[in-house]
Amino acid sequence: AQKITQTQPGMFVQEKEAVTLDCTYDTSDPSYGLFWYKQPSSGEMIFLIYQGSYDQQNATEGRYSLNFQKARKSANLVISASQLGDSAMYFCAMREASGGYNKLIFGAGTRLAVHP
Amino acid sequence: NAGVTQTPKFQVLKTGQSMTLQCAQDMNHEYMSWYRQDPGMGLRLIHYSVGAGITDQGEVPNGYNVSRSTTEDFPLRLLSAAPSQTSVYFCASSYRGASYGYTFGSGTRLTVV
Repeated sequence: AQKITQTQPGMFVQEKEAVTLDCTYDTSDPSYGLFWYKQPSSGEMIFLIYQGSYDQQNATEGRYSLNFQKARKSANLVISASQLGDSAMYFCAMREASGGYNKLIFGAGTRLAVHP
Repeated sequence: NAGVTQTPKFQVLKTGQSMTLQCAQDMNHEYMSWYRQDPGMGLRLIHYSVGAGITDQGEVPNGYNVSRSTTEDFPLRLLSAAPSQTSVYFCASSYRGASYGYTFGSGTRLTVV
């Protein structure tokens, strides 16, 4: 079964607008961490934001915020005021307590295109 | 601070050849992993290690071997390359614990002909 599901293969947004990238996850572990990574066309993997399963507040990092809905098992990434440089692949990922948090499992990714 | 260093960046192999992808990190991370990235499939875990001398299989381990003799190094060996192993390979490392993101190397683009 898919542990991380990203249902949007591709998204586009107008520059300066906000966009939400969807991520749902599947775990029975009460302790886990959720991550978003950005992969620009150059290929490197860039860590964006982290949300812990016990965190009471949604994580924010600059223009990135994570809309964490624990009961729905969703961890959507919100990018505010999109910039042309935000065009990239975005991956959602999870680490679980079971097994000692030693694996980071990824979704298939969403390709975001920002239009001027 | 070099972070995670992968070599080579590009490689072309013939079917049946063997090779080793090198990975080194200088952050004293306990955890290290190898991933492959194929179009439309995200990153899939090949092998991982939680410390020197300890390795385990990930989601797609067949055709690959790893070892971890030191904290810093985690090489990935392709035993007999096949066209299905054409992919981009990433090495990553992390501290222990849920709140730590993995730091990734720049990747190796491997083509098997």
